[in-house]
Parts: sequence; C-alpha cells; structure tokens
Amino acid sequence: DGGITQSPKYLFRKEGQNVTLSCEQNLNHDAMYWYRQDPGQGLRLIYYSQIVNDFQKGDIAEGYSVSREKKESFPLTVTSAQKNPTAFYLCASSIGGLAGADTQYFGPGTRLTVL
Amino acid sequence: KQEVTQIPAALSVPEGENLVLNCSFTDSAIYNLQWFRQDPGKGLTSLLLIQSSQREQTSGRLNASLDKSSGRSTLYIAASQPGDSATYLCAVTDSNYQLIWGAGTKLIIKP
Repeated sequence: DGGITQSPKYLFRKEGQNVTLSCEQNLNHDAMYWYRQDPGQGLRLIYYSQIVNDFQKGDIAEGYSVSREKKESFPLTVTSAQKNPTAFYLCASSIGGLAGADTQYFGPGTRLTVL
Repeated sequence: KQEVTQIPAALSVPEGENLVLNCSFTDSAIYNLQWFRQDPGKGLTSLLLIQSSQREQTSGRLNASLDKSSGRSTLYIAASQPGDSATYLCAVTDSNYQLIWGAGTKLIIKP
C-alpha cells in the first residue's frame, strides 16, 4: 500500500532533550511538509521540502530542524530550544513542489509530550 | 494577511439530517480551497479541492461550494451518518502557494 508513515505514535521528551520524529513516504512525491497542530488552532507549517537536499522554513521553524537526504524520508528534530513542544505533529507530502497547488496526503501523526 | 475561520467550532446533529459546515477567508486572492477530514488522534484525509475558477465540487454525499467574492465556502453533507463524526478542516492556498488553515469544526452525528 502506498502512503505516509510516522513514528513513533507517541513520544515523551524530558526537558533539555532533542527528539527526532520520523516520516517516510512511498508515494514518490517530491514535496514533503511538517505541521504542528495545537488544540483550537489551525495547522501551522514548520518546514517544507520541495526536492531532495533542499528545505525551507515555515511559519514556526524556531526550535526545529529537518533534513531531506532521501526522497522518501523527511525527519523532524525537536530541539531543546523549542520551549513549548507539546503538540500533535503531522507530516504530509504532495506530488509537486508548490505547497497548496496539489492535494496533500497526511501521515497518522505523532503526539509529543514534554515531561 | 489571510485568515481562515470556521464557525461553529463544534456541531451536534441527529443522524439523517443534511448539514452545512462553514469556512470564511479574508483575502479573495486564493489559488484553491480544500476540505479535509480528521478523525480523533489521526492524520487528515483530503475530501474535496476546489480551484479558484470553480464554484463547487461533489464527491458522494459531500458538496463543497466556493464564493471567492464573499470569501466563503460551505461543505454540505447529505443524509448524515454516525461515521461522518470527525473534525472537518478547510484550508486556502494563498497567492504564495502556502496553505492557510482554519481551526476546524468538530462534528458529532448522534444515532
């Protein structure tokens, strides 16, 4: 089955730790995205990548980092600099590189909680 | 700055009713508008995408309309079923091809 997988489903972070969220897609999509979802708010874009080895900051990139070494993979690291990381994190992909021009396909999400 | 609003934040209706969910946006210069469904604790599923030149799109019991001049879109669900219970989000693609999201309407269909 083609799709997007995210792991882990639940993640707990201690103060001062960096943690990495995994996102893998087998849809052969060029573009991939990371969103943060908080209760009562719309999704906010953290980072996006239109092609391998290239990525751009979204609206709330501070305290996060990404890499795009393979077309299929777009891991997100939540660093200790992110002061309020507790949220639901969603990864998405689309065929083309223009964020809203094509339908985005979403993974099941990772819920990160700071202890 | 584009802003997307969805009212109400929550809606509960009996099974079988037809219902309308609303989405409004402040800047009419959009590339398209999309409706998504999100089940609790899950990712999003795309329901309908309306290009800026279109007035509506239909998929099964779902019909989405777009009125750019008034900055409004509606998602019409016919003959609602308990399985339709979910949060429905709309998003517009602005002139920079960025998605701007509403906070969603949580829909509960009572059997």
